[in-house]
Amino acid sequence: DIQMTQSPSTLSASVGDRVTITCRASQSINSWLAWYQQKPGKAPKLLIYKASSLENGVPSRFSGSGSGTEFTLTISSLQPDDFATYYCQHYSSTYPWTFGQGTDLEIK
Amino acid sequence: QLQMQESGPGLVKPSETLSLTCTVSGGSIRATNYYWGWIRQPPGKGLEWIGSIYYGGSTYYNPSLKSRVTISVDTSKNQLSLKLNSVTAADTSVYYCASHTRGYSYVLFDSWGQGTLVTVSS
Repeated sequence: DIQMTQSPSTLSASVGDRVTITCRASQSINSWLAWYQQKPGKAPKLLIYKASSLENGVPSRFSGSGSGTEFTLTISSLQPDDFATYYCQHYSSTYPWTFGQGTDLEIK
Repeated sequence: QLQMQESGPGLVKPSETLSLTCTVSGGSIRATNYYWGWIRQPPGKGLEWIGSIYYGGSTYYNPSLKSRVTISVDTSKNQLSLKLNSVTAADTSVYYCASHTRGYSYVLFDSWGQGTLVTVSS
């Protein structure tokens, strides 16, 4: 199975900060990586797919990069609405498909 | 716009079968560009993919649950269903149904239901 490892598990930041979350795959997944945002009590929301493609309606302060085994999600200037939990997920042709363990983005 | 709503018992006894339904509106469960899935999340923990189905195609299950899970579609009711047997307290989770609407992935979920909490307890 492909393991997805996110770091850090928790990130404390302030409004206006630039933050980066990393996701590493245990083997190459090319660019078949998605990022989701989840707020308490809500379903996850797709933010980015194919490593760097922004989902419709997602603010441009979110960006994704990477390929192979290492990926990043960057928020260029944190807004109050961005404090949430973020998950990466691979959807390559290598079954089974897995999520990372999540990164909690907290207000400092 | 595609909408999904999970429903089913909120409490299931250990060793019994958990059965959930996801009612789809705003689109057909038979649509060739739609793939369907179930994901769960234990309280305070991360997301776990349970399985996915494509109408007229394949069904995939998480190997860790494969021996206990069945996912199917009911086209007459436009519903997706999940059955998980021999449940234990470890199966207590919020269960989400979700869909990929772009025609190529079993697990890139761009549309989600609101989720339903299922507690396993006697």
